[in-house]
Amino acid sequence: EAGVTQSPTHLIKTRGQQATLRCSPISGHTSVYWYQQALGLGLQFLLWYDEGEERNRGNFPPRFSGRQFPNYSSELNVNALELEDSALYLCASSPVGVSSYEQYFGPGTRLTVT
Amino acid sequence: GNSVTQMEGPVTLSEEAFLTINCTYTATGYPSLFWYVQYPGEGLQLLLKATKADDKGSNKGFEATYRKETTSFHLEKGSVQVSDSAVYFCALRHAGNNRKLIWGLGTSLAVNP
Repeated sequence: EAGVTQSPTHLIKTRGQQATLRCSPISGHTSVYWYQQALGLGLQFLLWYDEGEERNRGNFPPRFSGRQFPNYSSELNVNALELEDSALYLCASSPVGVSSYEQYFGPGTRLTVT
Repeated sequence: GNSVTQMEGPVTLSEEAFLTINCTYTATGYPSLFWYVQYPGEGLQLLLKATKADDKGSNKGFEATYRKETTSFHLEKGSVQVSDSAVYFCALRHAGNNRKLIWGLGTSLAVNP
């Protein structure tokens, strides 16, 4: 069974630009989560999508947004990039039902803002 | 609010030593508790979990017991190997359906041969 995949692996942008990160969940998983792992700050919850809808959002500004497509893949968009947005962005997915609390993570996208 | 506190690393041990990584939490109700591991160059992997008080999660020789009275979920392994070198994260998911995981800052473990 293929795991969660993310693309690109690395992304380098300049301040003020937009970044788009992509995630494909494990087959059969309908929920997708995005986390930011910044140096020294640990993992911070960004967004949760389920069945195409945004279900919950972390304490991030509106320039962090995303969407979930009908095939359950997801996109995270970060507008007006700032230097402090440099981080590893992790996507996770979870199945429906009793195991829905288990989240399976992808390898991440390393975003560097210069 | 909900929070997770892990012991600070890095932790350096010799092979076959006993490992304890402390994790305590603050939460209302009965959260689910998790340990995730991040090996060098890889993504996070679920190591073990416990969903109610007194549950013991175990996997790959690691164990952790959900202690409601001390609000703790300490990770232990009786004999570590070099291949256990990684960063370990404690996390909680609050009861309810917001699905948000609250994370500790991670503890880096280095095991020397």
